Amino acid sequence: DAKTTQPNSMESNEEEPVHLPCNHSTISGTDYIHWYRQLPSQGPEYVIHGLTSNVNNRMASLAIAEDRKSSTLILHRATLRDAAVYYCILRDVAEKDDKIIFGKGTRLHILP
Amino acid sequence: DAGVTQSPTHLIKTRGQQVTLRCSPKSGHDTVSWYQQALGQGPQFIFQYYEEEERQRGNFPDRFSGHQFPNYSSELNVNALLLGDSALYLCASSLDRLNTGELFFGEGSRLTVL
Repeated sequence: DAKTTQPNSMESNEEEPVHLPCNHSTISGTDYIHWYRQLPSQGPEYVIHGLTSNVNNRMASLAIAEDRKSSTLILHRATLRDAAVYYCILRDVAEKDDKIIFGKGTRLHILP
Repeated sequence: DAGVTQSPTHLIKTRGQQVTLRCSPKSGHDTVSWYQQALGQGPQFIFQYYEEEERQRGNFPDRFSGHQFPNYSSELNVNALLLGDSALYLCASSLDRLNTGELFFGEGSRLTVL
């Protein structure tokens, strides 16, 4: 079973911010939170990851709750190209665990 | 710098046959993981190879086997194909010493079993 819970789908208008939630209530102290997205007919691609503090990169921002039991991926200005399935996953640095468990992710629809 | 490349991109097999899928990792990466993705589902971890050995394995039968070569490239073999093996097979590479670093995925090999 996936260790994270995400909504099945979300919709957003083009050029507006998008907040994609993820619950991970059983997260351990050594779990990093990673986000990947999968565009149609492509393999997943890395978006962002973090441990405790909020993180920003050129693609997105990651906001992590203080208790680390949830996080939110923020796309600041959605474009049509951001329509994809977004996966929130946990990676345990202590276990060198690459047996990553993907859930079904959130399918993001962008409306022009 | 080439990313992860997989071959073939598409193939069709019949039940009972055997298939070999190939993966070349991103330059400089030493770890290769394989995933199976059924239609409408997230990728499911099959196994991971590092230093030419299987290091971790998901919940897949022994019909699924693999190999990693000295140049870090990898093969996934599936024997006695079943209809349910029809899926997109994804290869991901990473650098072992960066154990929280990003995985780079290929575009996958789509297998259809008739």
